[in-house]
Amino acid sequence: DSGVTQTPKHLITATGQRVTLRCSPRSGDLSVYWYQQSLDQGLQFLIQYYNGEERAKGNILERFSAQQFPDLHSELNLSSLELGDSALYFCASSVAFQGYTFGSGTRLTVV
Amino acid sequence: TQLLEQSPQFLSIQEGENLTVYCNSSSVFSSLQWYRQEPGEGPVLLVTVVTGGEVKKLKRLTFQFGDARKDSSLHITAAQPGDTGLYLCAGSYNNNDMRFGAGTRLTVKP
Repeated sequence: DSGVTQTPKHLITATGQRVTLRCSPRSGDLSVYWYQQSLDQGLQFLIQYYNGEERAKGNILERFSAQQFPDLHSELNLSSLELGDSALYFCASSVAFQGYTFGSGTRLTVV
Repeated sequence: TQLLEQSPQFLSIQEGENLTVYCNSSSVFSSLQWYRQEPGEGPVLLVTVVTGGEVKKLKRLTFQFGDARKDSSLHITAAQPGDTGLYLCAGSYNNNDMRFGAGTRLTVKP
């Protein structure tokens, strides 16, 4: 157990739907990062939050959004889902940039 | 678009062999990390290197950071089947978010 908790572990949904992925960072870590991993694109950085505020943005689509709550857990919202959104979504947390601790991921399948 | 190039993309070797995988970029990193990922799991941090020319050892794994902080290598001595996995390098250009390479998929056959 890495200390970073992601739920759900698996998610199957239809095109056009909206889903929410949840991440609880490791205790004491203020930064949360979201990554998308697909076979042909590798690990793609989506967005970073630090202590509730957005810190950096990567290749995140406009249909996707995220937030970090006062208790530091984070949610990634994916809407108007397309087949190409099927991927593994990872959350990672860190403290003072000492290296990332990743969760086990959410496998999203859009059918 | 990958800012970090990893090579080789795939590597299949016999148990007991040595191997080196590479991570290259045209940009200077403020720090670089190596991760190992197994199927169905998240990447696990192996090492962080910060200083140009730095060498770190982790049992049979040796990590080197290039003098110009643009490249890195991972050398594994006497590989074992348990070393099988996806090896990812990740670099930070501003001490904020990390950008990952596509990885080297290593298979060590018994």
